[in-house]
This record gives sequence, structure tokens and C-alpha cells, in this order.
Amino acid sequence: QKEVEQNSGPLSVPEGAIASLNCTYSDRVSQSFFWYRQYSGKSPELIMSIYSNGDKEDGRFTAQLNKASQYVSLLIRDSQPSDSATYLCAASTASGGSYIPTFGRGTSLIVHP
Amino acid sequence: NAGVTQTPKFQVLKTGQSMTLQCAQDMNHNSMYWYRQDPGMGLRLIYYSASEGTTDKGEVPNGYNVSRLNKREFSLRLESAAPSQTSVYFCASSELGQGFGYTFGSGTRLTVV
Repeated sequence: QKEVEQNSGPLSVPEGAIASLNCTYSDRVSQSFFWYRQYSGKSPELIMSIYSNGDKEDGRFTAQLNKASQYVSLLIRDSQPSDSATYLCAASTASGGSYIPTFGRGTSLIVHP
Repeated sequence: NAGVTQTPKFQVLKTGQSMTLQCAQDMNHNSMYWYRQDPGMGLRLIYYSASEGTTDKGEVPNGYNVSRLNKREFSLRLESAAPSQTSVYFCASSELGQGFGYTFGSGTRLTVV
């Protein structure tokens, strides 16, 4: 059974701080990794994808991947109250002609003014 | 650009009734997926379709059937609804290949009484 583990939180940070979200995955052959943001009552929206070891930066967001440790993280710099949401980590594995993502249960982030 | 469109947005069923959830995407994606999301359980894969003409079971397929009608449309059918199927259902689509993210529809909130 493929598993993606996340701390459910909530993670509470002050406005302007760095929020650090973490995720581990069990399937060593997972190839691509994704971070999604989900506001309450809404659908998940893609923030970042990463599939090579190291860091990948996009604006205020940095994704980090360490395949040896089976660990993925997301850093949010200069956190804003609008970043308050649940963040879902996903690991994708090739199967049946497609790439099947397994999602973690999400980490709730609260950014307080 | 509509992306992924799901209908209906809300539905209440009585135990034993049947219904079909509709999903259509206009991004020319090859792969489509059906997920359910329950509080504390994260997103769980019901069925997926790697490409037109193929469907495969996911993690929680019991009680559901799917049809990949054409490249654009992927429907999910509940033949005899049960209270355990009360959930939020999301359809998603993606392009084939490593690293491509998944675009979600807005979801269907289903209650079975």
C-alpha cells in the first residue's frame, strides 16, 4: 500500500514568517511529487511539482526533494493570511499507462496577522 | 477555458438509488481520475482512465462503475447508493508523462440518507 504521510497540523505561523510543510512517502519508485493547496469547500489547486533531487523555486514557494530519504517539503516565504489553507502532498507512480498520484491527508496552515 | 467541469455540484440520494456523476475536460488530456474526499481521510482514488478506451480500479472501487465515453468525458456511476458513499467527489485530469500535474473539477457533494 503506497502511503504519503503529512502532519495534520494545524501549523500556525505569523504573517511574514516562513512556513515549512513536510511530507514522506513510502513507495521508493515514486517519480513525481506535487504540492496542492485546498481552501475549505474548494477543490485542490496545483502549487508546484518536482521530480529531481534538490530545490525548485517559484515565487514565494520552494519545493525540496530528497529521494534517498523519501522526503518532500514546501517552504512558503513571507506567509500571508491568504495562504491559510490545507496543503496536500502527492507522490506519483507509473502504473497502467498512466501516472497515479497518492495524496497525503494534508496539513492545515494558519497564517495569523 | 473551463478546465474540468463536474455535474451536479450537490446531490441528495436515498439509500438504494442510483445516479451518475458527470465529468468533462477541455484540455485534451489523456488521463482522467475519480477521487473521493472524506474528513480526515484525504483524497482516495476510486477509478482512473489512462487513455480513451481504458479504465482501471483505484484504491476504493467497490460500489462504483465508470465509463470513459470519449477523450473528454469520464463518468462515475453509483448503482445502489449507501450512506458510506456520502462524500465529496472530485474528477481530475492530466497529460501523460512524468511531472505533469492534475487539474481538478470543482467537486460534487453527495449525501446518501
